[in-house]
Amino acid sequence: DAGITQSPRHKVTETGTPVTLRCHQTENHRYMYWYRQDPGHGLRLIHYSYGVKDTDKGEVSDGYSVSRSKTEDFLLTLESATSSQTSVYFCALRDSTSYEQYFGPGTRLTVT
Amino acid sequence: GENVEQHPSTLSVQEGDSAVIKCTYSDSASNYFPWYKQELGKRPQLIIDIRSNVGEKKDQRIAVTLNKTAKHFSLHITETQPEDSAVYFCAASWVNTGNQFYFGTGTSLTVIP
Repeated sequence: DAGITQSPRHKVTETGTPVTLRCHQTENHRYMYWYRQDPGHGLRLIHYSYGVKDTDKGEVSDGYSVSRSKTEDFLLTLESATSSQTSVYFCALRDSTSYEQYFGPGTRLTVT
Repeated sequence: GENVEQHPSTLSVQEGDSAVIKCTYSDSASNYFPWYKQELGKRPQLIIDIRSNVGEKKDQRIAVTLNKTAKHFSLHITETQPEDSAVYFCAASWVNTGNQFYFGTGTSLTVIP
């Protein structure tokens, strides 16, 4: 599983509260991604990173921010959670040599 | 940006039959096309991929074909088994720049024993 973990795996939070999801890798790959997965929409890119402190927006970035202060950690923050952000969030990395993309186990977030 | 369309959204086949899932893409610059299998409650898993310098790639019962001119690629599963039941996603990307992947909306495959 390419040494990629996510925490927490499940979270229930209230509307308006801040939430941070963590993605951690052990293999020093440069590219990391955050996706959300919702029925009927497949996997949609939120933000991605191409190195420490280098990030860019994906197609559904509104309401989300990211940070990458170390190669191994990529954080996704919902500044003020809304019910529309209830989803399953997947972190992924891209292997630096093969270019294959591997996913973390996912975080199920429920905003009530 | 790139737009990937995937068909069908659902597919049911009898065990032992073949299954074919098709994707089209819009950006001729895309040169890397992976396929993922996602079982219920699990993460997407890479099952096969193809680069634009290759027309077909096989791995046991699965194969992927690519038509660059028509901008479409397909996943073929032969001799289907119940454990092939899952959601399958196609994607398109650029190998050299390594930035975004664009995903299709998925195909739910059910193999009927």
